[in-house]
Amino acid sequence: EIVMTQSPATLSVSPGERATLSCRASQSVSSNLAWYQQKPGQAPRLLIYGAFIRATGIPARFSGSGSGTEFTLTISSLQSEDFAVYYCHQYNNWPLTFGGGTKVEIK
Amino acid sequence: QVQLQESGPGLVKPSETLSLTCAVSGYFISSGYYWGWIRQPPGKGLEWIGSIYHSGSTYYNPSLKSRVTISVDTSKNQFSLKLSSVTAADTAVYYCARHAGGSPFDYWGQGTLVTVSS
Repeated sequence: EIVMTQSPATLSVSPGERATLSCRASQSVSSNLAWYQQKPGQAPRLLIYGAFIRATGIPARFSGSGSGTEFTLTISSLQSEDFAVYYCHQYNNWPLTFGGGTKVEIK
Repeated sequence: QVQLQESGPGLVKPSETLSLTCAVSGYFISSGYYWGWIRQPPGKGLEWIGSIYHSGSTYYNPSLKSRVTISVDTSKNQFSLKLSSVTAADTAVYYCARHAGGSPFDYWGQGTLVTVSS
């Protein structure tokens, strides 16, 4: 099983600032890495797939990078609606696995 | 627009079997894709339970494999989850979702909370 490790667990950021979230895989997942945003009481929403491809309707302030075992999600200028929990997810191998999540909170 | 909707009992007794159904609209399951179940214990992260291909092939999380059965009913355009011998640790919001091979989950249901308690 590929273990996905996200850091930090919590990120305190002021509105308008940049947020950088990290995700590390225990073995290579190539570029088969996605990022999801989840708000309280809602299902996760796909933001990024293929490590860097924005899903339909996702604003350009969200960007992904990395390949292999190290990945980054960057939110260039945090808006109020961006405060949420973010999960990375590898779909390169069965079993499919998720990271533990990073909570982005208002500083 | 593809939509998924989970249904099933919100309360299950310990040692019994949890049964959920996911009704799909806006897309015919028989046309393709994998159809999966993911769960999230209260306040915790996401755990993939398993997926079924439209043809019926199944893939399960090894940590749950001995207790999980996922099936598909193309005539009703729905798929189902059965989790046996449940304990309090199985209390979670259960989501159904769609994914292509080598792709992430793109459409999700709203989720349904299942509590295991006597």
